Amino acid sequence: GAVVSQHPSWVICKSGTSVKIECRSLDFQATTMFWYRQFPKQSLMLMATSNEGSKATYEQGVEKDKFLINHASLTLSTLTVTSAHPEDSSFYICSATERDYNEQFFGPGTRLTVL
Amino acid sequence: GQNIDQPTEMTATEGAIVQINCTYQTSGFNGLFWYQQHAGEAPTFLSYNVLDGLEEKGRFSSFLSRSKGYSYLLLKELQMKDSASYLCAALDSNYQLIWGAGTKLIIKP
Repeated sequence: GAVVSQHPSWVICKSGTSVKIECRSLDFQATTMFWYRQFPKQSLMLMATSNEGSKATYEQGVEKDKFLINHASLTLSTLTVTSAHPEDSSFYICSATERDYNEQFFGPGTRLTVL
Repeated sequence: GQNIDQPTEMTATEGAIVQINCTYQTSGFNGLFWYQQHAGEAPTFLSYNVLDGLEEKGRFSSFLSRSKGYSYLLLKELQMKDSASYLCAALDSNYQLIWGAGTKLIIKP
Protein backbone atom coordinates (compact mmCIF):
# COMPACT_ATOMS: atom_id res chain seq x y z
CA GLY A 1 0.00 0.00 0.00
CA ALA A 2 0.84 3.72 0.14
CA VAL A 3 1.89 4.14 -3.47
CA VAL A 4 2.47 7.54 -4.99
CA SER A 5 2.87 8.02 -8.71
CA GLN A 6 4.23 10.94 -10.69
CA HIS A 7 3.77 11.81 -14.31
CA PRO A 8 5.71 12.38 -16.42
CA SER A 9 8.90 10.63 -15.32
CA TRP A 10 11.00 12.98 -17.38
CA VAL A 11 10.35 15.93 -19.61
CA ILE A 12 12.43 18.08 -21.93
CA CYS A 13 11.04 21.44 -22.94
CA LYS A 14 12.08 24.69 -24.54
CA SER A 15 12.76 27.78 -22.48
CA GLY A 16 9.61 29.83 -21.96
CA THR A 17 7.14 26.96 -22.03
CA SER A 18 5.11 25.67 -19.08
CA VAL A 19 5.29 22.15 -17.73
CA LYS A 20 2.73 20.38 -15.55
CA ILE A 21 3.71 17.53 -13.25
CA GLU A 22 1.06 15.32 -11.67
CA CYS A 23 1.33 13.56 -8.32
CA ARG A 24 -1.22 10.91 -7.39
CA SER A 25 -1.75 8.81 -4.30
CA LEU A 26 -2.98 5.52 -5.69
CA ASP A 27 -4.30 3.66 -2.69
CA PHE A 28 -4.82 6.19 0.07
CA GLN A 29 -6.21 9.65 0.61
CA ALA A 30 -3.46 12.20 0.89
CA THR A 31 -4.49 15.00 3.18
CA THR A 32 -1.16 16.72 2.60
CA MET A 33 1.19 16.67 -0.34
CA PHE A 34 4.69 18.07 -0.51
CA TRP A 35 6.71 19.21 -3.49
CA TYR A 36 10.48 18.98 -3.38
CA ARG A 37 13.26 19.95 -5.75
CA GLN A 38 16.64 18.27 -5.76
CA PHE A 39 19.70 19.49 -7.62
CA PRO A 40 22.54 17.06 -8.35
CA LYS A 41 24.43 15.90 -5.28
CA GLN A 42 22.24 17.98 -2.99
CA SER A 43 19.55 17.07 -0.52
CA LEU A 44 15.85 17.55 -0.99
CA MET A 45 14.63 21.13 -0.84
CA LEU A 46 11.02 21.59 0.17
CA MET A 47 9.25 23.93 -2.21
CA ALA A 48 5.71 23.92 -0.89
CA THR A 49 3.16 22.09 1.20
CA SER A 50 -0.38 21.70 -0.01
CA ASN A 51 -3.52 20.57 1.74
CA GLU A 52 -6.52 19.39 -0.22
CA GLY A 53 -8.86 22.22 -1.06
CA SER A 54 -6.68 25.04 0.19
CA LYS A 55 -3.85 27.18 -1.12
CA ALA A 56 -0.34 25.83 -0.95
CA THR A 57 2.16 27.13 1.59
CA TYR A 58 5.39 28.06 -0.16
CA GLU A 59 8.85 28.00 1.37
CA GLN A 60 10.86 31.17 1.50
CA GLY A 61 12.48 31.94 -1.81
CA VAL A 62 10.07 29.87 -3.89
CA GLU A 63 8.02 31.98 -6.32
CA LYS A 64 4.38 30.99 -6.03
CA ASP A 65 3.54 32.62 -9.37
CA LYS A 66 6.18 30.55 -11.11
CA PHE A 67 5.49 27.25 -9.40
CA LEU A 68 1.72 26.84 -9.40
CA ILE A 69 0.42 24.12 -7.14
CA ASN A 70 -3.10 22.76 -7.20
CA HIS A 71 -4.41 20.13 -4.78
CA ALA A 72 -7.96 19.74 -5.98
CA SER A 73 -8.65 16.29 -4.59
CA LEU A 74 -7.40 13.92 -1.92
CA THR A 75 -5.52 11.89 -4.50
CA LEU A 76 -4.12 14.45 -6.92
CA SER A 77 -1.79 17.43 -6.73
CA THR A 78 -0.20 19.19 -9.67
CA LEU A 79 2.87 21.40 -9.97
CA THR A 80 3.07 23.68 -12.98
CA VAL A 81 6.40 25.29 -13.77
CA THR A 82 5.44 28.38 -15.72
CA SER A 83 7.75 29.99 -18.27
CA ALA A 84 10.46 27.47 -17.51
CA HIS A 85 14.11 28.46 -17.84
CA PRO A 86 17.28 26.35 -17.89
CA GLU A 87 17.91 27.08 -14.21
CA ASP A 88 14.60 25.32 -13.43
CA SER A 89 16.10 22.07 -14.68
CA SER A 90 16.03 19.75 -11.70
CA PHE A 91 14.58 16.59 -10.19
CA TYR A 92 11.10 17.32 -8.83
CA ILE A 93 9.71 14.91 -6.26
CA CYS A 94 6.33 14.86 -4.60
CA SER A 95 5.36 13.09 -1.41
CA ALA A 96 2.10 12.52 0.35
CA THR A 97 0.95 11.81 3.86
CA GLU A 98 -2.14 10.30 5.28
CA ARG A 99 -3.95 11.79 8.22
CA ASP A 100 -1.32 11.14 10.88
CA TYR A 101 1.46 13.09 9.10
CA ASN A 102 4.10 10.70 10.37
CA GLU A 103 5.41 9.18 7.18
CA GLN A 104 5.81 10.73 3.79
CA PHE A 105 5.41 8.43 0.82
CA PHE A 106 7.43 9.59 -2.14
CA GLY A 107 6.64 9.54 -5.81
CA PRO A 108 9.35 8.34 -8.21
CA GLY A 109 10.25 11.88 -9.24
CA THR A 110 10.19 13.86 -12.46
CA ARG A 111 13.38 14.95 -14.15
CA LEU A 112 12.88 18.28 -15.91
CA THR A 113 15.36 19.54 -18.47
CA VAL A 114 14.79 23.00 -19.92
CA LEU A 115 16.75 23.75 -23.05
CA GLY B 1 17.57 27.66 13.75
CA GLN B 2 16.80 24.15 12.70
CA ASN B 3 19.66 21.96 11.61
CA ILE B 4 20.48 18.38 10.71
CA ASP B 5 24.08 17.17 10.59
CA GLN B 6 25.31 13.96 9.06
CA PRO B 7 28.59 12.97 7.41
CA THR B 8 28.90 13.76 3.72
CA GLU B 9 30.40 10.45 2.66
CA MET B 10 31.37 7.10 4.13
CA THR B 11 33.09 4.04 2.70
CA ALA B 12 32.66 0.48 3.88
CA THR B 13 33.46 -3.04 2.73
CA GLU B 14 30.95 -5.60 1.48
CA GLY B 15 29.84 -7.85 4.32
CA ALA B 16 30.86 -5.40 7.02
CA ILE B 17 28.83 -3.15 9.34
CA VAL B 18 28.52 0.63 9.05
CA GLN B 19 26.94 3.21 11.32
CA ILE B 20 25.73 6.52 9.94
CA ASN B 21 25.26 9.20 12.58
CA CYS B 22 22.84 12.12 12.57
CA THR B 23 22.42 14.98 15.02
CA TYR B 24 19.46 17.31 14.92
CA GLN B 25 18.26 20.60 16.34
CA THR B 26 14.61 21.38 15.67
CA SER B 27 11.76 23.46 17.00
CA GLY B 28 9.89 20.68 18.72
CA PHE B 29 10.29 17.06 17.73
CA ASN B 30 7.84 14.50 16.43
CA GLY B 31 10.18 11.79 15.27
CA LEU B 32 13.15 11.03 13.10
CA PHE B 33 13.19 9.33 9.71
CA TRP B 34 15.85 7.58 7.70
CA TYR B 35 15.45 7.32 3.93
CA GLN B 36 17.57 5.61 1.30
CA GLN B 37 18.05 7.29 -2.05
CA HIS B 38 19.77 5.70 -5.03
CA ALA B 39 21.15 8.07 -7.64
CA GLY B 40 18.45 9.41 -9.91
CA GLU B 41 15.63 7.96 -7.84
CA ALA B 42 13.27 9.24 -5.18
CA PRO B 43 13.89 8.44 -1.50
CA THR B 44 12.49 5.27 -0.02
CA PHE B 45 11.48 4.93 3.62
CA LEU B 46 13.75 2.93 5.92
CA SER B 47 12.75 3.73 9.49
CA TYR B 48 10.93 6.02 11.88
CA ASN B 49 11.86 6.55 15.55
CA VAL B 50 9.98 8.70 18.00
CA LEU B 51 10.89 6.96 21.27
CA ASP B 52 14.39 6.44 22.63
CA GLY B 53 16.01 3.17 21.77
CA LEU B 54 16.87 0.83 18.96
CA GLU B 55 14.46 -0.32 16.26
CA GLU B 56 15.64 -3.34 14.30
CA LYS B 57 14.35 -4.21 10.87
CA GLY B 58 16.29 -6.95 9.14
CA ARG B 59 19.79 -5.81 8.23
CA PHE B 60 18.95 -2.22 9.11
CA SER B 61 18.55 -0.78 12.62
CA SER B 62 17.91 2.77 13.75
CA PHE B 63 18.62 4.29 17.14
CA LEU B 64 17.32 7.47 18.74
CA SER B 65 18.32 9.49 21.79
CA ARG B 66 15.95 12.43 22.19
CA SER B 67 17.90 13.93 25.09
CA LYS B 68 21.05 14.06 22.95
CA GLY B 69 19.35 15.00 19.68
CA TYR B 70 21.09 12.05 18.10
CA SER B 71 20.26 9.13 15.88
CA TYR B 72 22.14 6.54 13.93
CA LEU B 73 21.38 4.09 11.17
CA LEU B 74 23.19 0.76 11.41
CA LEU B 75 23.59 -1.37 8.31
CA LYS B 76 24.79 -4.95 8.75
CA GLU B 77 26.05 -7.52 6.26
CA LEU B 78 26.59 -4.80 3.69
CA GLN B 79 25.75 -5.59 0.09
CA MET B 80 26.82 -3.74 -3.02
CA LYS B 81 23.22 -2.65 -3.58
CA ASP B 82 23.39 -0.71 -0.30
CA SER B 83 25.54 1.88 -2.06
CA ALA B 84 23.29 4.93 -1.94
CA SER B 85 22.69 8.17 -0.11
CA TYR B 86 21.08 7.92 3.31
CA LEU B 87 18.97 10.86 4.36
CA CYS B 88 18.20 11.75 7.96
CA ALA B 89 15.10 13.90 8.51
CA ALA B 90 13.50 15.19 11.71
CA LEU B 91 9.81 16.05 12.05
CA ASP B 92 9.41 19.35 13.87
CA SER B 93 6.52 20.68 15.97
CA ASN B 94 4.69 21.80 12.81
CA TYR B 95 5.02 18.30 11.37
CA GLN B 96 7.43 19.62 8.77
CA LEU B 97 10.36 17.42 7.78
CA ILE B 98 13.77 19.01 8.23
CA TRP B 99 16.19 17.22 5.93
CA GLY B 100 19.88 16.52 6.30
CA ALA B 101 22.09 16.80 3.24
CA GLY B 102 22.49 13.04 3.10
CA THR B 103 25.38 10.64 3.57
CA LYS B 104 26.75 9.00 0.46
CA LEU B 105 27.69 5.43 1.32
CA ILE B 106 30.21 3.72 -0.93
CA ILE B 107 30.50 -0.05 -0.65
CA LYS B 108 33.73 -1.67 -1.84
CA PRO B 109 34.12 -5.37 -2.66
